[in-house]
Order: sequence, then C-alpha cells, then structure tokens
Amino acid sequence: DAGVIQSPRHEVTEMGQEVTLRCKPISGHNSLFWYRQTMMRGLELLIYFNNNVPIDDSGMPEDRFSAKMPNASFSTLKIQPSEPRDSAVYFCASSEAGAGELFFGEGSRLTVL
Amino acid sequence: GQQLNQSPQSMFIQEGEDVSMNCTSSSIFNTWLWYKQDPGEGPVLLIALYKAGELTSNGRLTAQFGITRKDSFLNISASIPSDVGIYFCAGRRYAGANNLFFGTGTRLTVIP
Repeated sequence: DAGVIQSPRHEVTEMGQEVTLRCKPISGHNSLFWYRQTMMRGLELLIYFNNNVPIDDSGMPEDRFSAKMPNASFSTLKIQPSEPRDSAVYFCASSEAGAGELFFGEGSRLTVL
Repeated sequence: GQQLNQSPQSMFIQEGEDVSMNCTSSSIFNTWLWYKQDPGEGPVLLIALYKAGELTSNGRLTAQFGITRKDSFLNISASIPSDVGIYFCAGRRYAGANNLFFGTGTRLTVIP
C-alpha cells in the first residue's frame, strides 16, 4: 500500500524563483497537511485541508506561500518568490478525518540560494 | 501556536541502556502520539494513546498518557543502534480535531 508521496525530494533554486512542491495523500484519507521543519523551529503546521477544502492556513508564513488541493489525490504548495529563509524540509501528511494519526511523506528538502 | 515541551533535547546512551523522554503541555490534550524520525525521512508513528492513564507498549517501547492529560512519556528498553533518531511527541486537543501539535523533539544517539 503506497504511503504519502511527495516530489521533488530535493530542490535547489535561486532566490526569487517560484517553487512548487507536490503531494499525493494515501488513498481514502480525506485530511491533508503541509508542515515545514527547520532546526530552529521544529515541525510547524502551515495549512491543512479536509475533503479538499482549506480549513486552517494560519501557519502560512506570508502571501508568498499558497497551497491548493484540486482533488482528493493531489495537493501543491507553492512559494513565489522564494527567499533563502524558506530553506527547510517540507512535509506532507494525510489522515482519516478526526483519526489524528498522521502519516507523513518523506519530505521535500528545499534550498534557496 | 500550541507549545509542547519535550525533554531532554538530546541523549547519548550506551547500547543496552533504557531511555526515558517526556512531553508536557500547559493545555489538556485528548490524544497523545509518539513519532520517530530517521535522517532524511518523514516522522513515523510509534504509539498512539487515547485515554488518560493509558499505558501502551509496542515491542521495546512503552508510552503513557498522563493522568492530568497534560503530559506523556516514552520509554525505550534495552536500546539498540537502530533506535537512533529524533523522537517527537504530538497531541490532539479534542476528539475529532484534525490538527496535531508537535513537540520540539528528542535526538537520541546510541553508542554501540
């Protein structure tokens, strides 16, 4: 059974470029989460969706960040324009609604030069 | 956001020793979870706790949901090298809530 699938695993880009991270949740899960992990701040929730609808985006750092979930099997996190301080590992996770047991992808490591 | 305080931040232990780490919060939680993260990977669920006072084991791992509902601990017995990683506690504030709040992590190093 496939887990949460993220791409790319690694991305190196220059400041000012647009970055798009992708996620495919576990089939049948109807909640999807985007987290950011850094040494300084640990795991931070950016946004989560229930049934493809954004529920809480209070963790999105600023307007440069946006997330979409056009259908139950796909979500994107976009940063435009990117800045060096956006360098982090971005995790996507999914769960059955209300179950609370999140299953994480392997993460996308972003480096902005 | 919600703060979960995890301690210790890091541990260096000899193979075969037991390990104990804990997580505290100023707020009550409905669910406590413990995750392990290996280098270059995402966190993986180890144990889930749903009731105050609950004690649950998974192999050499044992976790408890504090009676006050504001804390939880994780014990690892007879540590082995593959226990190396970062351990995170996570809590859910109320039944049906989707969001999990994560602790700051405990980095475990096991010396063979």
